[in-house]
Amino acid sequence: GAGVSQSPSNKVTEKGKDVELRCDPISGHTALYWYRQSLGQGLEFLIYFQGNSAPDKSGLPSDRFSAERTGGSVSTLTIQRTQQEDSAVYLCASSVLIGTSGYTEAFFGQGTRLTVV
Amino acid sequence: GESVGLHLPTLSVQEGDNSIINCAYSNSASDYFIWYKQESGKGPQFIIDIRSNMDKRQGQRVTVLLNKTVKHLSLQIAATQPGDSAVYFCAENSGGSNYKLTFGKGTLLTVNP
Repeated sequence: GAGVSQSPSNKVTEKGKDVELRCDPISGHTALYWYRQSLGQGLEFLIYFQGNSAPDKSGLPSDRFSAERTGGSVSTLTIQRTQQEDSAVYLCASSVLIGTSGYTEAFFGQGTRLTVV
Repeated sequence: GESVGLHLPTLSVQEGDNSIINCAYSNSASDYFIWYKQESGKGPQFIIDIRSNMDKRQGQRVTVLLNKTVKHLSLQIAATQPGDSAVYFCAENSGGSNYKLTFGKGTLLTVNP
């Protein structure tokens, strides 16, 4: 498809286990975001990749969270030693940056609903 | 840090009425703003955007107003329909070399038939 794809759509894991969430951005989009959304809450920024620049990791809540983006395309968000408070919907978005001053909307995937039991 | 907030967490309107959803932002350097609509179980979807060199922009049944003096953004939906029921988020981007979007808490719009 032409949109942002995330997998799995749902993930239930036991407390203490590691999980990997995958995001396939729209082809050609240089910017990729990860956000977290708790029930009834807004979007919490986690990490931002832009081209070959160093990622902005300022939103990662702890060192248990990490993300990588291989080849400027697919991204994986890893949560180690999951805790119950990690339960949320994890949203990925991508966008294309036009020139040095242009900006376009971010397109979101459907999200991965993570439940830590 | 900078943040984007919303005045009203919930808004209930009758079908056919006009809806106004408000958003306050605090980063005076922000130069690009977007409204997103998020339906239950889905990711946010783009509705309309506006750049800081504009005060108003219209789309189909939606209008975004930007008041830079008071750092206020609003989304107006004309003739609100049941399908407009969703959570609406405003987002700002402070430009520079970052272009990272910052989202507000969201407003739940409920349209009563």
